[in-house]
Amino acid sequence: SQELEQSPQSLIVQEGKNLTINCTSSKTLYGLYWYKQKYGEGLIFLMMLQKGGEEKSHEKITAKLDEKKQQSSLHITASQPSHAGIYLCGARHRNYGGSQGNLIFGKGTKLSVKP
Amino acid sequence: EPEVTQTPSHQVTQMGQEVILRCVPISNHLYFYWYRQILGQKVEFLVSFYNNEISEKSEIFDDQFSVERPDGSNFTLKIRSTKLEDSAMYFCASRPPGLAGELFFGEGSRLTVL
Repeated sequence: SQELEQSPQSLIVQEGKNLTINCTSSKTLYGLYWYKQKYGEGLIFLMMLQKGGEEKSHEKITAKLDEKKQQSSLHITASQPSHAGIYLCGARHRNYGGSQGNLIFGKGTKLSVKP
Repeated sequence: EPEVTQTPSHQVTQMGQEVILRCVPISNHLYFYWYRQILGQKVEFLVSFYNNEISEKSEIFDDQFSVERPDGSNFTLKIRSTKLEDSAMYFCASRPPGLAGELFFGEGSRLTVL
């Protein structure tokens, strides 16, 4: 089974609509990270969540962490064409050792926003 | 704004050839990483590097791979004898101290092995 499951795999929304992307971990989370990737390009860091119940917002994007369920959601309000891309969740499954940059990534959710 | 730069952006090579991918991390960052993404698949961790040595590596990072920081700025990934399955986008990333998981990624180097 996958260590990080993202849903949905892809999403097409009308501009102005809200949407939610989910990420579920099969292992204990020591950090959950959301990144955005445009096709064929590098990943751009969006947000980091570390504590249960934590919620962070940046512009129209809000991410929440449910530590008990080992889940995170990413919510976009009033989507715009600039939100289009692939959203990846990444997780740390260890709280010690190493460089703490060894992230496991989900397969990503491809978001298209129709004008 | 400082960024991670990678060269080449695309390299085509014959199976069995050696390849070196280069990265210039952000100057005040101390932790460096290589990830790869095979077309249509997940981004996968290869190796992390700190204080001039490997701090972690994945199962993918076998004896055919090596990393080096030959000077104060470059961070390289070498594949000794490329295989067809090494074809992928290779991403370099770096991070400053104290921000675990907040990685700054380069645009990637696409490697095609024929």
